[in-house]
Amino acid sequence: DGGITQSPKYLFRKEGQNVTLSCEQNLNHDAMYWYRQDPGQGLRLIYYSQIVNDFQKGDIAEGYSVSREKKESFPLTVTSAQKNPTAFYLCASSISVTLEEKLFFGSGTQLSVL
Amino acid sequence: GENVEQHPSTLSVQEGDSAVIKCTYSDSASNYFPWYKQELGKRPQLIIDIRSNVGEKKDQRIAVTLNKTAKHFSLHITETQPEDSAVYFCAASHGSGGGADGLTFGKGTHLIIQP
Repeated sequence: DGGITQSPKYLFRKEGQNVTLSCEQNLNHDAMYWYRQDPGQGLRLIYYSQIVNDFQKGDIAEGYSVSREKKESFPLTVTSAQKNPTAFYLCASSISVTLEEKLFFGSGTQLSVL
Repeated sequence: GENVEQHPSTLSVQEGDSAVIKCTYSDSASNYFPWYKQELGKRPQLIIDIRSNVGEKKDQRIAVTLNKTAKHFSLHITETQPEDSAVYFCAASHGSGGGADGLTFGKGTHLIIQP
């Protein structure tokens, strides 16, 4: 099903390497989010963006960076500063941040360290 | 900040029986409580939500109850079916002005429906 698309599905990172995870949505949503999912840890917010060219840190932003140059796109870069990057990364969108709106999730990217 | 505790971490029930998953939250200002279901290998999807001005909400076989005084809320699934097998996440919203930026998730409950 469409709406919000993440790629790639699987990604491997070498020591010292930066990698970028893609997230695209065609729902015309203003708000986009990145969550990290670890086994038994629930979903933790990395970054979110309310509008183009604006983004805010979430609970675990260290070692990550984002950009929001287009409404449809919110890529996440996992930098070499993130010492424990192995996790399942979920992108989400909602109509806005200021209301308790339903989150629509992508199908996720599994990142592993080589 | 907000802290959401979810129990149990794993729940196994016989098909046709009921399942109950419980969550507690710490911030009395939280006012929005969604539940997400994540089937194996799939994306989380919202199944039901409740706001603090309501004590209970039902949607077919699922219901959510909220006790603001005790700061806990629960998901109830009746007449469980194999397709109910999944990980369920509760969440509470505590952000200023509300909003998905203020959502704190529980750690999830793996619900197993035994045939």
